[in-house]
Amino acid sequence: KAGVTQTPRYLIKTRGQQVTLSCSPISGHRSVSWYQQTPGQGLQFLFEYFSETQRNKGNFPGRFSGRQFSNSRSEMNVSTLELGDSALYLCASSLGPSGSEGNTIYFGEGSWLTVV
Amino acid sequence: GNSVTQMEGPVTLSEEAFLTINCTYTATGYPSLFWYVQYPGEGLQLLLKATKADDKGSNKGFEATYRKETTSFHLEKGSVQVSDSAVYFCALRIGGATNKLIFGTGTLLAVQP
Repeated sequence: KAGVTQTPRYLIKTRGQQVTLSCSPISGHRSVSWYQQTPGQGLQFLFEYFSETQRNKGNFPGRFSGRQFSNSRSEMNVSTLELGDSALYLCASSLGPSGSEGNTIYFGEGSWLTVV
Repeated sequence: GNSVTQMEGPVTLSEEAFLTINCTYTATGYPSLFWYVQYPGEGLQLLLKATKADDKGSNKGFEATYRKETTSFHLEKGSVQVSDSAVYFCALRIGGATNKLIFGTGTLLAVQP
């Protein structure tokens, strides 16, 4: 069974541009979360979606947004890019929204964003 | 608030040495606890988990026991290999209707032959 798939894997953008990252969860998974990983701040939660609804949001500016489609695929968008947005963006999927024992969270390999 | 504290690295060991990476947490309620591993250039892989007090998670020779009395979830392995070199993250999920994970800062493990 395919894992969590993120595209693109690598991209370079210029300050002020916007970027859209895509995530396809494991088949049958309906919950998708996004994280930002940087050397300075570590792994930080961005947002979480279930059944096309945002369930939870981290402490990021409004330039960071996301959405989930009816097939559970998700996208995140960052507008007006800043140098500090350079990071590895990780997507994670799980069966459902709850923290039940069987609800293991699986991560994709991430999208490496460099802002120049 | 909810948080995870893990020992700073890097941890440098010789092959076949014993490994301990300390992890303590602060959380409201009854969190689930996880160890994830990240190899260079890759995403996170779930290594093991424990969902309630006294549970022991184990996988690939790694073990960690959920200790509620000491709020700890230390990672151990009896004999490390060069292939275990990676960054290890301790994380908690506070439960309820959310999958939000709170991560520690990560510990780099370097195993030398």
